[in-house]
Amino acid sequence: GQNIDQPTEMTATEGAIVQINCTYQTSGFNGLFWYQQHAGEAPTFLSYNVLDGLEEKGRFSSFLSRSKGYSYLLLKELQMKDSASYLCAPMDSNYQLIWGAGTKLIIKP
Amino acid sequence: GAVVSQHPSWVICKSGTSVKIECRSLDFQATTMFWYRQFPKQSLMLMATSNEGSKATYEQGVEKDKFLINHASLTLSTLTVTSAHPEDSSFYICSAKGARDTEAFFGQGTRLTVV
Repeated sequence: GQNIDQPTEMTATEGAIVQINCTYQTSGFNGLFWYQQHAGEAPTFLSYNVLDGLEEKGRFSSFLSRSKGYSYLLLKELQMKDSASYLCAPMDSNYQLIWGAGTKLIIKP
Repeated sequence: GAVVSQHPSWVICKSGTSVKIECRSLDFQATTMFWYRQFPKQSLMLMATSNEGSKATYEQGVEKDKFLINHASLTLSTLTVTSAHPEDSSFYICSAKGARDTEAFFGQGTRLTVV
């Protein structure tokens, strides 16, 4: 079956760095997306990895290891507005996104 | 990035009535649109995938006669929740992508409350 595993909740301090891990099992693989979702809002795109390695985009970076079925999202210089849920969503062989419940990130001053 | 507009943002309706939600791609041709439902503190659940001009493909467990999807043009898809009941109260989100896109772009979502 298809499965996504992320921590349910994480807490970090403003200005710090946090890494949100994701392991996945899918039927085929066509890349992995990370989305940010604030409460009551639709997800917004953060990153897309299809090859192994690190993709850096400002304060956010995303890493992928296809052989390990593993990805992480790294958030630097955390701000209060980064408090949100972060969704790891791999794309299977049918180009369909597989969604987990996401990781709720709580930022404390 | 591409813009997808979803309307309305929120709606309250009486039990037994029908509600239509629109999803429009404003600056690209959306060959494929996805409709999701999300209950509080749960993951997005794909309800159906629709390709322009053809019937939607519904996920297992989603009643196609209750959730009517129309994708008649390359810029508009609609989801109609028929004979709504309180258990249909949820956050409904559409996303759309063009033929050459890997990424699908999300609408703002619609908060449906059935009373």
